[in-house]
Amino acid sequence: GENVEQHPSTLSVQEGDSAVIKCTYSDSASNYFPWYKQELGKRPQLIIDIRSNVGEKKDQRIAVTLNKTAKHFSLHITETQPEDSAVYFCAASTPRAGGTSYGKLTFGQGTILTVHP
Amino acid sequence: DVKVTQSSRYLVKRTGEKVFLECVQDMDHENMFWYRQDPGLGLRLIYFSYDVKMKEKGDIPEGYSVSREKKERFSLILESASTNQTSMYLCASSFAREINFGPGTRLTVT
Repeated sequence: GENVEQHPSTLSVQEGDSAVIKCTYSDSASNYFPWYKQELGKRPQLIIDIRSNVGEKKDQRIAVTLNKTAKHFSLHITETQPEDSAVYFCAASTPRAGGTSYGKLTFGQGTILTVHP
Repeated sequence: DVKVTQSSRYLVKRTGEKVFLECVQDMDHENMFWYRQDPGLGLRLIYFSYDVKMKEKGDIPEGYSVSREKKERFSLILESASTNQTSMYLCASSFAREINFGPGTRLTVT
Protein backbone atom coordinates (compact mmCIF):
# COMPACT_ATOMS: atom_id res chain seq x y z
CA GLY A 1 0.00 0.00 0.00
CA GLU A 2 0.85 3.68 -0.07
CA ASN A 3 3.39 5.04 2.43
CA VAL A 4 3.83 8.75 3.09
CA GLU A 5 6.81 10.14 4.98
CA GLN A 6 6.76 13.73 6.28
CA HIS A 7 9.60 15.91 7.56
CA PRO A 8 10.37 17.67 9.78
CA SER A 9 8.27 16.56 12.73
CA THR A 10 8.63 19.98 14.36
CA LEU A 11 9.46 23.35 12.82
CA SER A 12 10.02 26.62 14.66
CA VAL A 13 10.31 29.92 12.77
CA GLN A 14 10.20 33.62 13.46
CA GLU A 15 7.24 35.64 12.28
CA GLY A 16 7.83 36.74 8.70
CA ASP A 17 10.14 33.84 7.84
CA SER A 18 9.27 31.10 5.39
CA ALA A 19 8.44 27.52 6.36
CA VAL A 20 8.87 24.42 4.21
CA ILE A 21 7.48 20.96 4.92
CA LYS A 22 8.41 18.01 2.74
CA CYS A 23 6.71 14.70 2.01
CA THR A 24 7.55 11.62 -0.02
CA TYR A 25 5.17 8.93 -1.21
CA SER A 26 5.67 5.41 -2.50
CA ASP A 27 2.74 4.55 -4.80
CA SER A 28 3.18 5.92 -8.32
CA ALA A 29 -0.59 5.51 -8.83
CA SER A 30 -1.37 8.23 -6.27
CA ASN A 31 -2.87 11.16 -8.12
CA TYR A 32 -3.93 13.76 -5.60
CA PHE A 33 -1.97 15.43 -2.81
CA PRO A 34 -3.78 17.60 -0.27
CA TRP A 35 -2.39 19.45 2.73
CA TYR A 36 -4.32 19.85 5.97
CA LYS A 37 -3.96 22.22 8.88
CA GLN A 38 -5.14 21.11 12.30
CA GLU A 39 -5.43 23.58 15.14
CA LEU A 40 -5.52 22.35 18.71
CA GLY A 41 -8.76 20.56 19.50
CA LYS A 42 -10.15 20.95 15.99
CA ARG A 43 -10.61 18.71 12.99
CA PRO A 44 -8.17 18.85 10.05
CA GLN A 45 -8.99 21.50 7.45
CA LEU A 46 -7.87 21.45 3.83
CA ILE A 47 -5.60 24.38 3.03
CA ILE A 48 -4.30 23.55 -0.44
CA ASP A 49 -4.13 20.59 -2.79
CA ILE A 50 -2.48 19.59 -6.04
CA ARG A 51 -3.32 17.04 -8.67
CA SER A 52 -0.73 14.79 -10.27
CA ASN A 53 -0.85 16.58 -13.63
CA VAL A 54 0.29 19.89 -12.09
CA GLY A 55 3.76 20.78 -10.84
CA GLU A 56 3.00 23.80 -8.68
CA LYS A 57 0.04 25.62 -7.20
CA LYS A 58 -0.12 28.83 -5.20
CA ASP A 59 -2.78 30.43 -3.02
CA GLN A 60 -1.70 33.72 -1.46
CA ARG A 61 1.04 32.87 1.07
CA ILE A 62 0.80 29.12 0.56
CA ALA A 63 2.25 27.09 -2.29
CA VAL A 64 2.66 23.41 -3.02
CA THR A 65 5.10 21.79 -5.43
CA LEU A 66 5.02 18.25 -6.77
CA ASN A 67 7.80 16.20 -8.34
CA LYS A 68 6.18 13.03 -9.68
CA THR A 69 9.43 11.54 -10.87
CA ALA A 70 11.00 11.74 -7.44
CA LYS A 71 7.65 11.11 -5.69
CA HIS A 72 7.88 14.06 -3.38
CA PHE A 73 5.83 17.15 -2.71
CA SER A 74 6.32 20.16 -0.48
CA LEU A 75 4.34 22.87 1.29
CA HIS A 76 5.76 26.39 1.33
CA ILE A 77 4.40 29.09 3.62
CA THR A 78 5.81 32.58 3.15
CA GLU A 79 5.59 35.56 5.52
CA THR A 80 4.54 33.33 8.37
CA GLN A 81 2.23 34.68 11.06
CA PRO A 82 1.54 33.43 14.61
CA GLU A 83 -1.88 32.18 13.48
CA ASP A 84 -0.10 29.78 11.11
CA SER A 85 0.98 27.82 14.20
CA ALA A 86 -0.68 24.40 13.98
CA VAL A 87 -0.05 20.80 12.98
CA TYR A 88 0.22 20.31 9.22
CA PHE A 89 -0.40 17.01 7.47
CA CYS A 90 0.38 16.00 3.92
CA ALA A 91 -1.56 13.19 2.28
CA ALA A 92 -1.62 11.14 -0.90
CA SER A 93 -4.78 9.80 -2.51
CA THR A 94 -4.87 6.39 -4.17
CA PRO A 95 -7.53 6.08 -6.88
CA ARG A 96 -10.43 3.73 -6.39
CA ALA A 97 -9.87 0.38 -8.04
CA GLY A 98 -10.83 0.24 -11.69
CA GLY A 99 -10.93 3.96 -12.28
CA THR A 100 -9.50 7.35 -11.61
CA SER A 101 -11.98 8.43 -8.95
CA TYR A 102 -10.38 9.80 -5.81
CA GLY A 103 -10.12 7.21 -3.09
CA LYS A 104 -8.56 6.77 0.31
CA LEU A 105 -6.05 9.22 1.76
CA THR A 106 -2.78 8.12 3.33
CA PHE A 107 -1.39 10.77 5.69
CA GLY A 108 2.09 11.75 6.73
CA GLN A 109 3.07 11.83 10.39
CA GLY A 110 2.45 15.56 10.78
CA THR A 111 4.60 18.64 11.38
CA ILE A 112 4.12 20.88 14.40
CA LEU A 113 4.75 24.41 13.15
CA THR A 114 5.37 27.13 15.71
CA VAL A 115 5.64 30.75 14.57
CA HIS A 116 7.19 33.02 17.18
CA PRO A 117 6.09 36.68 17.22
CA ASP B 1 -22.19 22.54 3.96
CA VAL B 2 -21.37 18.89 4.60
CA LYS B 3 -21.84 17.81 8.11
CA VAL B 4 -20.12 14.75 9.51
CA THR B 5 -21.18 13.92 13.03
CA GLN B 6 -19.85 11.39 15.49
CA SER B 7 -21.88 9.92 18.31
CA SER B 8 -19.59 10.97 21.16
CA ARG B 9 -16.82 13.54 21.71
CA TYR B 10 -15.42 11.71 24.73
CA LEU B 11 -15.79 8.06 25.71
CA VAL B 12 -14.31 6.02 28.56
CA LYS B 13 -14.53 2.23 28.37
CA ARG B 14 -13.07 -0.69 30.24
CA THR B 15 -10.72 -3.30 28.84
CA GLY B 16 -12.66 -6.10 27.16
CA GLU B 17 -15.79 -4.09 26.48
CA LYS B 18 -17.35 -3.98 23.03
CA VAL B 19 -17.33 -0.40 21.79
CA PHE B 20 -19.39 1.19 19.03
CA LEU B 21 -18.39 4.48 17.41
CA GLU B 22 -21.03 5.91 15.11
CA CYS B 23 -20.53 8.30 12.21
CA VAL B 24 -23.22 9.94 10.11
CA GLN B 25 -22.86 12.23 7.09
CA ASP B 26 -25.66 14.19 5.49
CA MET B 27 -24.44 14.82 1.93
CA ASP B 28 -24.94 11.44 0.25
CA HIS B 29 -21.18 10.82 -0.02
CA GLU B 30 -20.15 7.42 -1.33
CA ASN B 31 -16.81 7.21 0.46
CA MET B 32 -16.46 6.95 4.22
CA PHE B 33 -13.36 6.41 6.35
CA TRP B 34 -12.28 5.73 9.89
CA TYR B 35 -8.90 7.04 11.05
CA ARG B 36 -7.17 7.04 14.38
CA GLN B 37 -4.88 9.91 15.30
CA ASP B 38 -1.94 9.53 17.66
CA PRO B 39 0.82 12.10 18.31
CA GLY B 40 3.79 11.60 16.02
CA LEU B 41 1.97 8.99 13.93
CA GLY B 42 -0.44 11.19 12.00
CA LEU B 43 -3.79 9.86 10.89
CA ARG B 44 -3.79 6.13 10.20
CA LEU B 45 -6.54 4.50 8.18
CA ILE B 46 -8.42 1.73 9.98
CA TYR B 47 -11.20 0.84 7.53
CA PHE B 48 -12.96 2.47 4.61
CA SER B 49 -16.03 1.96 2.50
CA TYR B 50 -16.89 3.05 -1.02
CA ASP B 51 -20.49 1.85 -0.95
CA VAL B 52 -23.23 0.43 1.23
CA LYS B 53 -22.34 -3.01 2.61
CA MET B 54 -18.85 -2.63 1.19
CA LYS B 55 -15.80 -2.39 3.43
CA GLU B 56 -12.06 -2.62 2.99
CA LYS B 57 -9.23 -2.87 5.45
CA GLY B 58 -6.97 0.10 5.84
CA ASP B 59 -3.48 0.11 7.26
CA ILE B 60 -4.29 -0.87 10.87
CA PRO B 61 -7.51 -2.97 10.90
CA GLU B 62 -6.49 -5.40 13.67
CA GLY B 63 -8.87 -5.30 16.61
CA TYR B 64 -11.52 -3.36 14.69
CA SER B 65 -14.49 -4.08 12.45
CA VAL B 66 -16.96 -1.84 10.64
CA SER B 67 -20.52 -1.82 9.44
CA ARG B 68 -22.17 0.15 6.67
CA GLU B 69 -25.83 -0.80 6.35
CA LYS B 70 -26.93 2.62 5.11
CA LYS B 71 -25.10 5.07 2.89
CA GLU B 72 -25.04 7.84 5.48
CA ARG B 73 -23.83 5.77 8.43
CA PHE B 74 -20.46 4.09 9.02
CA SER B 75 -19.86 2.40 12.35
CA LEU B 76 -16.54 1.39 13.88
CA ILE B 77 -16.60 -1.51 16.30
CA LEU B 78 -13.93 -2.44 18.81
CA GLU B 79 -14.73 -6.09 19.50
CA SER B 80 -12.81 -6.24 22.78
CA ALA B 81 -11.33 -2.90 23.75
CA SER B 82 -7.70 -2.81 24.85
CA THR B 83 -5.61 -0.04 26.37
CA ASN B 84 -3.59 0.35 23.17
CA GLN B 85 -6.78 1.46 21.44
CA THR B 86 -6.88 4.61 23.54
CA SER B 87 -6.78 7.28 20.86
CA MET B 88 -8.60 9.99 18.93
CA TYR B 89 -10.89 8.49 16.28
CA LEU B 90 -11.82 10.58 13.26
CA CYS B 91 -14.53 9.71 10.78
CA ALA B 92 -14.54 11.27 7.31
CA SER B 93 -16.64 11.21 4.19
CA SER B 94 -15.72 12.25 0.68
CA PHE B 95 -16.95 12.82 -2.81
CA ALA B 96 -14.36 13.42 -5.53
CA ARG B 97 -11.61 15.57 -4.01
CA GLU B 98 -13.70 16.92 -1.16
CA ILE B 99 -13.11 15.11 2.14
CA ASN B 100 -14.81 16.20 5.33
CA PHE B 101 -13.89 15.15 8.83
CA GLY B 102 -16.08 14.69 11.84
CA PRO B 103 -15.19 16.34 15.16
CA GLY B 104 -13.51 13.21 16.50
CA THR B 105 -14.11 10.88 19.45
CA ARG B 106 -11.51 10.79 22.20
CA LEU B 107 -11.64 7.19 23.45
CA THR B 108 -9.95 6.16 26.65
CA VAL B 109 -9.73 2.46 27.52
CA THR B 110 -8.88 1.74 31.14
